[in-house]
Amino acid sequence: GAGVSQSPRYKVAKRGQDVALRCDPISGHVSLFWYQQALGQGPEFLTYFQNEAQLDKSGLPSDRFFAERPEGSVSTLKIQRTQQEDSAVYLCASNLGVTGNTIYFGEGSWLTVV
Amino acid sequence: GDSVTQMEGPVTLSEEAFLTINCTYTATGYPSLFWYVQYPGEGLQLLLKATKADDKGSNKGFEATYRKETTSFHLEKGSVQVSDSAVYFCALSDPKTSYDKVIFGPGTSLSVIP
Repeated sequence: GAGVSQSPRYKVAKRGQDVALRCDPISGHVSLFWYQQALGQGPEFLTYFQNEAQLDKSGLPSDRFFAERPEGSVSTLKIQRTQQEDSAVYLCASNLGVTGNTIYFGEGSWLTVV
Repeated sequence: GDSVTQMEGPVTLSEEAFLTINCTYTATGYPSLFWYVQYPGEGLQLLLKATKADDKGSNKGFEATYRKETTSFHLEKGSVQVSDSAVYFCALSDPKTSYDKVIFGPGTSLSVIP
């Protein structure tokens, strides 16, 4: 597609529910990033993929958070047993994988845990 | 660790006023520096960047100069418009990684009134 596409755009989950957020990067983009943006704050790095390999997951806040990109294209961020503090916008971004290349962000998935 | 600090908002200016948003960074190496903008209801977009000391990034009338001696990357615009109302994020690309891991500041909200 023309840009990074994320779905769902909005998700309300009850505390304890599992959620899955999908990211469709720009076609041909090798690198894929997930960020978490709490209300009124800057995005915080969660994890990075190069093709299907998850090379950095240092930002995942707990073992309830899991990300995958099995075929090196679409990625899914899964949050198990959601808590209220998980409420945030989850941003996906991609680029060609060449250092210094512009990173393109999706519009984000807004998660509210009630 | 590497971090970015920027002036707190919200900032409210009249149309055609001069804009400065201060940004300073802490990094152990030589990062690339960025300004991203988030318009209401839209995703993050790269506004401008600079990759080495004394470089000036510019776009849409905005400018920022990479000042290594003061570890700063202040954003300026000579005459703001209502359409510039958005949240502005200063960011750096972590030089310790071989990929474009971006670390963001907390953001500064700008409102321009007619």
